[in-house]
Amino acid sequence: AQTVTQSQPEMSVQEAETVTLSCTYDTSENNYYLFWYKQPPSRQMILVIRQEAYKQQNATENRFSVNFQKAAKSFSLKISDSQLGDTAMYFCASLNAGNMLTFGGGTRLMVKP
Amino acid sequence: DAGVTQSPTHLIKTRGQQVTLRCSPKSGHDTVSWYQQALGQGPQFIFQYYEEEERQRGNFPDRFSGHQFPNYSSELNVNALLLGDSALYLCASTFTASTDTQYFGPGTRLTVL
Repeated sequence: AQTVTQSQPEMSVQEAETVTLSCTYDTSENNYYLFWYKQPPSRQMILVIRQEAYKQQNATENRFSVNFQKAAKSFSLKISDSQLGDTAMYFCASLNAGNMLTFGGGTRLMVKP
Repeated sequence: DAGVTQSPTHLIKTRGQQVTLRCSPKSGHDTVSWYQQALGQGPQFIFQYYEEEERQRGNFPDRFSGHQFPNYSSELNVNALLLGDSALYLCASTFTASTDTQYFGPGTRLTVL
C-alpha cells in the first residue's frame, strides 16, 4: 500500500516571494510517478507538476519546481515569485502500477498581497 | 479540446436514496477513475474503468458501483445513501498507453440529508 503525508496543513507567503510545500511518501514499487495538484476554491483539481521516479533530474514547470529525494522518499514543491492566483489547496499524490492515485491530506496555501 | 466533464454540479439526496453521477473523459482518453473527497481531506480512490470493466477498486463498499460505456463515458452509482456519503465526487481520465497523468473534472458535490 502507498501512503502520502503532507505535514503542513496551512502555509502563507507574501506575493512575489518563494514558498516550499513538503511531502513524504511510502511505496514498495520501483516504478512510480509523483504529482502535485492544485485545487482552488472552484474545486477543479489542476495538475501542477509531475515527476517520474526513474528520472534523477528534478521536474520544473515555469515558476514551479520540485526537490525529489528518492532515498528519503521526499517530494517537495517550490513555488517561486508567488502570485495571488496561487492561493489554493495543494495535494501531493503518488501513482502506482495499477494507475491508482494516492493523495496526501493537502496543504492550504494563502498568498498575501 | 474538451476536458473532463461531470454532471450534475450539485445534488441533494436523502438517506436511503440512490444517486447516479456522470463523467465524460477528456478527448482521446479511454480510462476513467472515480474519487471521493470529503470536506477538508484529500481524494480517496473508489474505482477505475477501462474497456468497460472495473479494473481497480479502492476500499469502498458494494453500495458503490459503476459502469463504462463504449464511448468511454462513465457513471458512478451509490445505493442506500448514508450521511457519510456527502462529499465531492471527482472523475479523472487518462489514456492507458500514455504517461499516466490523470486529468480531473470539476466534480459533483453530493449532499445527503
